[in-house]
Amino acid sequence: DTAVSQTPKYLVTQMGNDKSIKCEQNLGHDTMYWYKQDSKKFLKIMFSYNNKELIINETVPNRFSPKSPDKAHLNLHINSLELGDSAVYFCASSQVRQTGTYNTGELFFGEGSRLTVL
Amino acid sequence: GENVEQHPSTLSVQEGDSAVIKCTYSDSASNYFPWYKQELGKRPQLIIDIRSNVGEKKDQRIAVTLNKTAKHFSLHITETQPEDSAVYFCALIKAAGNKLTFGGGTRVLVKP
Repeated sequence: DTAVSQTPKYLVTQMGNDKSIKCEQNLGHDTMYWYKQDSKKFLKIMFSYNNKELIINETVPNRFSPKSPDKAHLNLHINSLELGDSAVYFCASSQVRQTGTYNTGELFFGEGSRLTVL
Repeated sequence: GENVEQHPSTLSVQEGDSAVIKCTYSDSASNYFPWYKQELGKRPQLIIDIRSNVGEKKDQRIAVTLNKTAKHFSLHITETQPEDSAVYFCALIKAAGNKLTFGGGTRVLVKP
């Protein structure tokens, strides 16, 4: 069974269009994330939700809007796509465990959605 | 913020040799340091992690060392094999935080 699944896997679209990527996890985790991986392989966090509540919102253009209808789903909508949005977008989930001052929790990534903006 | 620098960006080793990747960080409040491996075209996956109250951790051919004073941690792969070829990312979390910040990645190529 796929733990973190995201669709579509590939997305090719024109500049200016609006597109969405969906993500679902069946691990029962309480926290979900969107990461962007550019052509140089840098992995940069964009958003994080904990139990449907936005807890991390990095410096991302307003054209990117995440939505979490429940704790098992985190979707990403992108308006007015630009060339620089081309990247692989990874959804991930984790169950954050707090032990004393330590927050740990393995990130489980989806397979990634490769977005190409022409 | 939680900056983490990773070196080298690429590493080519002969099969059977060792590979070492080093990450340095600036925020002394960082206290959890995982390493992720990403094979070509695949998703990143956790391979080993270490907490700041531990200096070294080993799992078969991989080990991680942490120097809190110097603020750096390293991944060591011994007896490298072709299947170790991948991009490796160090990462860290600040104490009681949720944000996992990744290093820039190291592309490791193991030549047979």
